[in-house]
Order: sequence, then C-alpha cells, then structure tokens
Amino acid sequence: GIQVEQSPPDLILQEGANSTLRCNFSDSVNNLQWFHQNPWGQLINLFYIPSGTKQNGRLSATTVATERYSLLYISSSQTTDSGVYFCAVYNAGNMLTFGGGTRLMVKP
Amino acid sequence: KAGVTQTPRYLIKTRGQQVTLSCSPISGHRSVSWYQQTPGQGLQFLFEYFSETQRNKGNFPGRFSGRQFSNSRSEMNVSTLELGDSALYLCASRAGDGNEQFFGPGTRLTVL
Repeated sequence: GIQVEQSPPDLILQEGANSTLRCNFSDSVNNLQWFHQNPWGQLINLFYIPSGTKQNGRLSATTVATERYSLLYISSSQTTDSGVYFCAVYNAGNMLTFGGGTRLMVKP
Repeated sequence: KAGVTQTPRYLIKTRGQQVTLSCSPISGHRSVSWYQQTPGQGLQFLFEYFSETQRNKGNFPGRFSGRQFSNSRSEMNVSTLELGDSALYLCASRAGDGNEQFFGPGTRLTVL
C-alpha cells in the first residue's frame, strides 16, 4: 500500500518563529488532508488540498501532486500551535492513510 | 451544524470482554469511517460504511466489526478484547466521495 512519511518527527520552536512541515507519499493520490491533533486527541481539519496552495490565517499548505509531496507552513507560531500535525492521503478507495505525524512544541 | 459525536468518551474493560462504540456523523453525511490510534502503530483505518454497507475494510482481525444504521449512525464492536486493543478509536464522516473527512473527539478504550 501507499506509504506516507512526515518530517521532521519532532520540532521545537520559540514563539514567533516560522516552520515548514513536509509530507512525502509513495504513490499518486486523489486528495490530501492536513490535521492538527489537540492534547485531547481530536483531529482538527486544517486543509483539504489535492494540489496547489491554500492559506488560512497564519497557516498555508502547498501540494505538488506530480512530485508526491505536500508542505505545511506555520508562520509566527504561538503556544497554541503545539500538538501533533498529521498528513493523510486518499489513494485507492475511500480510506485515509496517515503519516507518522510531526510533534510540534512552541515555547513561550 | 453539529460535528461528529462519539460515545462513550472513555471506557475501561478487561481482557475477554466485548465493547460497542457509537458514532453519530454530521447531519447529511452518509459515509462513516473508523480509525484506531495507538502509540506503536499510529493511525490505522478500520472500516468504512456508506448507506449501511461496508465499502472498505482495513487489515484488522475479525474481532473488529461494525455496522451502520439507516440514519447513518454507526457502531463498532470489538469482541474478546486483548490488551493490545487499548487505543483511541476515532470516527470520521464525510458527505460523499471526493469530500473531506471530519473527525469526532474519539473514544479512549483501556483494556486491563
């Protein structure tokens, strides 16, 4: 099956810093989602992005499907951005295949 | 519009017991999927239901089963619980193919 790899696995930032999270996938995908998992375990939708670039406030995402990767940018990070960020792809069928996540800690 | 809801939020069971988890999708969503999250295996797909039919199934033993009702609410059942079944179980719904999935808050199951 398709493999989804995220990097880096862990990231520590000072408040106000910018960061880029990467998601590589091993096969062509129909669509891709980015999530933020809060400390209580809920997955919060960030972006639904099969290709191109989308922005939502301080966050933006770019997917280059032909090169099989997606990037999540976080600018001017805040402590509330801490948590785990997941990339997940739709390949064959209607199921999401998740990457291993990037654990982000933003220090005040 | 209310989000995906899951009950119960927390559950403690002992080995050998069975458990039933419930999921109510966003109103109008006909597809419900279930995922298991563990520290060792990460997030893994269990199964997907659409219009009361199982469309996809992940690589889990037959002890894991599910169903969907005519109102799109879904339940999953795990029989003969094992310690390794301790996990966060997440339910997601989507309006249909080509739409994004939205997740519920999860049910945290502990097997003692």
